[in-house]
Amino acid sequence: AQSVTQLGSHVSVSEGALVLLRCNYSSSVPPYLFWYVQYPNQGLQLLLKYTTGATLVKGINGFEAEFKKSETSFHLTKPSAHMSDAAEYFCAVSLMDSNYQLIWGAGTKLIIKP
Amino acid sequence: DTAVSQTPKYLVTQMGNDKSIKCEQNLGHDTMYWYKQDSKKFLKIMFSYNNKELIINETVPNRFSPKSPDKAHLNLHINSLELGDSAVYFCASSPGLGGPLHFGNGTRLTVT
Repeated sequence: AQSVTQLGSHVSVSEGALVLLRCNYSSSVPPYLFWYVQYPNQGLQLLLKYTTGATLVKGINGFEAEFKKSETSFHLTKPSAHMSDAAEYFCAVSLMDSNYQLIWGAGTKLIIKP
Repeated sequence: DTAVSQTPKYLVTQMGNDKSIKCEQNLGHDTMYWYKQDSKKFLKIMFSYNNKELIINETVPNRFSPKSPDKAHLNLHINSLELGDSAVYFCASSPGLGGPLHFGNGTRLTVT
């Protein structure tokens, strides 16, 4: 069965430090991959997506993610954390053979230390 | 000029009551969804509508019923509310299957 695993329910980094949020998936077919961000008391918004083509994708707010097929990973990074990045981050996978139904990770709460 | 709007934002009600949550999108999208987010932030899809046809109906109680009067609206009606229904409910839309989702800001339902 397809699944999405986000390593670490909480990740804490200092302001200005590198942000790395991990996402691994299991799938037998090429996936579409997404990262969403949820700020407190708000809905989710799309950060970035990978469908086909270049495996390094850039998103909003300075985030980027790299699709690594051999590692079945789609980790999210940002070179320098800002206090405003504190939020919940969700990785999701969409598969053609399941009618593009989204499979969600459990989310990672990003905490920024001043 | 909100893309996906849902009302009300907060809903406090007693067990056994019936309530509805409304959702509207002005993006011209073909697909709309209802998600439930529990206290641990876990997201569970409840329903999705593609061109007014129900295409996903996960294992939700039949007390929950989606109603779509037109492509821009997908309302959620809940009968006989239970304590376990307390959660945040999100409406979302996408241009089609596999497309990125646009979420509303959620409705926090509290059943007492």
